[in-house]
Parts: sequence; structure tokens; C-alpha cells
Amino acid sequence: DQQVKQNSPSLSVQEGRISILNCDYTNSMFDYFLWYKKYPAEGPTFLISISSIKDKNEDGRFTVFLNKSAKHLSLHIVPSQPGDSAVYFCAASAKGTYKYIFGTGTRLKVLA
Amino acid sequence: GAGVSQSPSNKVTEKGKDVELRCDPISGHTALYWYRQSLGQGLEFLIYFQGNSAPDKSGLPSDRFSAERTGGSVSTLTIQRTQQEDSAVYLCASSLTQGRAYGYTFGSGTRLTVV
Repeated sequence: DQQVKQNSPSLSVQEGRISILNCDYTNSMFDYFLWYKKYPAEGPTFLISISSIKDKNEDGRFTVFLNKSAKHLSLHIVPSQPGDSAVYFCAASAKGTYKYIFGTGTRLKVLA
Repeated sequence: GAGVSQSPSNKVTEKGKDVELRCDPISGHTALYWYRQSLGQGLEFLIYFQGNSAPDKSGLPSDRFSAERTGGSVSTLTIQRTQQEDSAVYLCASSLTQGRAYGYTFGSGTRLTVV
């Protein structure tokens, strides 16, 4: 039973355009969400987070949107750069717990 | 150290052999996590340490897997009698607290291949 789903295994975007990565979850107890970026042969690195009390969090070119009623979050990257090419994981955690449940990742390729 | 250090970075072992994977977390980080990523899969939680104790071992896939942490620092993940399905990248992460707000800092992982 996959509680966090990233249904698009890959995405290609032209440099300068917007990249939108999507994530769905099933557990209504999740109240904290993270996005990680992973380059080959490296560990995932923390990108941005959002608490369920918010519906948007912005950090530079990266914005995460949370739609609690739809149990959906998305990561927007504007403008996309070739260095953004990586695998992006969303992760969710429930209040009172300590572990994050990760999705299967979306491989983003930004074309120059 | 400056980051989470894992060793070895790559390990090839024969089916049936035991392996030990090491994780050196960021100094002062009390929480330590092991995850693994199998081919085409997401990150699968294995075990969580707070200090030297492991309040949650629920992610360990079988009793062939065990982990310990000593001195509130270094952790070792041991896989006994390895099987081909154990082949994966094993990732260790640490955090100052339980990491909810800022997530964890991951190491680069150990790529385990069982042949």
C-alpha cells in the first residue's frame, strides 16, 4: 500500500519554463511534507517543506502547493535550469511520528 | 564531520555472505535513520534510532537485518545471509531532533549488489 505516490516517473522541460512535479497521498494523518532532490551517486538533499496549516510555501525559484482536500501537493520550479535536472522525491510525515514516507520519485530533465 | 558519511560506497557480495554497512552521522545529531532504495522504488524506511536506542525497527524486512548504534554516533546495518533481493542503495540520514521541519541530512549511500 503506497501512501505517497508520484505517478509521473519522468518529466522533460525546456530551460526557462516552469517545471511542475506532482505528488498524491492517501493518509489524512499526514501533516508535514518535504521535497528532496537527488543527483546520481549522491544522497537526497532537502529542498523545501510545507506544513498542513499552509497551502503554499515559497523559496526562491521553488514553490510547493498543498491541496489538503485533494490530498495533493506539487512542486513548481520557475524558471527551470539545466542544473535542476535530478530525481525529485516527495515525502510525508504524520503528527506524532518521526519518519517520512517517500514517493518513488520523478526524474526531471531540463533541456538547454 | 561536515556531512553524513557512509562506507563502503559500493559493495559486491556473494549470495549467502554477511555484510556490514557503516554510517557516521553529523556530530551532535541524535536521530539516525536507515532507508533503502531498490531499483525503480522509492525510499523505504528501515529503522530509526534516537540516541542508541531503536524505538522503531518496523521497516526491517526480515530477521536477517539488524542494526545497532553505539555512543549515540556511528551506526552499523548488518545483513546476514544476503539474498539477491537485498541489492539496493542503503541510505543513512541524521537529524538534530526528529527532523520534522527540516527533514534529514542523507549520506551518499552504499550500493549493495548481491551476486
